[in-house]
Order: sequence, then structure tokens, then C-alpha cells
Amino acid sequence: KAGVTQTPRYLIKTRGQQVTLSCSPISGHRSVSWYQQTPGQGLQFLFEYFSETQRNKGNFPGRFSGRQFSNSRSEMNVSTLELGDSALYLCASSLQAGGGTGELFFGEGSRLTVL
Amino acid sequence: AQTVTQSQPEMSVQEAETVTLSCTYDTSESNYYLFWYKQPPSRQMILVIRQEAYKQQNATENRFSVNFQKAAKSFSLKISDSQLGDTAMYFCAFRTSNTGNQFYFGTGTSLTVIP
Repeated sequence: KAGVTQTPRYLIKTRGQQVTLSCSPISGHRSVSWYQQTPGQGLQFLFEYFSETQRNKGNFPGRFSGRQFSNSRSEMNVSTLELGDSALYLCASSLQAGGGTGELFFGEGSRLTVL
Repeated sequence: AQTVTQSQPEMSVQEAETVTLSCTYDTSESNYYLFWYKQPPSRQMILVIRQEAYKQQNATENRFSVNFQKAAKSFSLKISDSQLGDTAMYFCAFRTSNTGNQFYFGTGTSLTVIP
């Protein structure tokens, strides 16, 4: 069974540009969550989608947005990039919409560098 | 506020020895679930162990075990018989029963196993 796939793995952008990251969850998983990982900050929750609906959103500015398609694939978009947006963006999928000890399955991440 | 604190940014242990990683958390919720995730260098995060807060018995998975002290809101991870493959960043995390797949992560502990 294929794991969580994120594309692209690495990308470099300049300030003011926008970026779109893609995530394909494990087959059968309907929940997709996004996290931002930076040194010293750990992982910060961005948002979660389940069955094409955003269920939860973290404390990030409106420049960060996402969506989920009918096949459960998800994209996140960051507009008007800032230097502080440089980070590893992790996607995680889950079979259920949360609760219990159900685990998150993570992709390898998309490393974004903003110059 | 939901927070996780990992007070040891870096640790090292000799191969075959035992090491304990500390984690404290804060939540006002009564129903929550605790996790330890491992992130090897340049590889994806994987679940190490999980624990339901309502269970008093500490979880164990092979060489990995936890010491869960609910009153102290402490959830430490013990790794016995450390192996070189245990070298990784370890993240403590929890989620509550009403926040879907929004996990709260600590800032991580970088563990190096020395041969």
C-alpha cells in the first residue's frame, strides 16, 4: 500500500510569490491534515480536511489556504510568501476524522525555501 | 491553551543503554490521547507509541515504553537497549477527543545513539 505522497519535495521561491503543495493520502484515508515544521517551533497545525470539508484550522494568517478533492487528494496554497514561511510542510492522512488513538500517517514533506 | 513541552532539545546515549525522553503537556480537557512520534534524518515521521489518558497502565511497544503520570501531566518515553537506528528527532504529541486530527506537538528532542 502506497504511503502519503507529497509533491514537490523541494522548492525555492522569492518573497511575494505564491506556492501550491500537493498531498496524496493513503488509499482509503479521507482525512488530510497539514502541519508546518520549523526548527525550534516543532509542528504547528495548519488545517484538516475530511470529505472535502475543512474541519479545523490552526492559527495561521489567511495567506495559508487549502482544499481537498473528491479523491481525497489535498492541496495547500500560500500566497504572498514571506521569509518566515520557509519551513518543511508535512501532510498527514488518517482513516478516521479524529478521535481515539488513531494515528496520523505522514508524508516526507515539502521543503519550502523563501528567498 | 493546549501545549506540549519537551525540555531536552538534544540527548545522546550509548548503544545498548537506556534513555528517557521527557514530555509534559497542558490541557483542560479530560479526554485525550498521547503519542510519541519519531522522525529519522530526512525521513518521514512514524508513530512510536500511543496511550489513552483514561488508561492507567503504561503502554509498551517492544523496546519502547512510557511513564504516564496523569496528575503531573507527564508522558516520558523510555528506550531500552538503544540501537543506532533509534537516532532521530522524537516528538511528543496529544490530541483531545473534540479536536479531530489536530495534534499538539512539542518542539522535539534530537536523540543520537553513539556506537
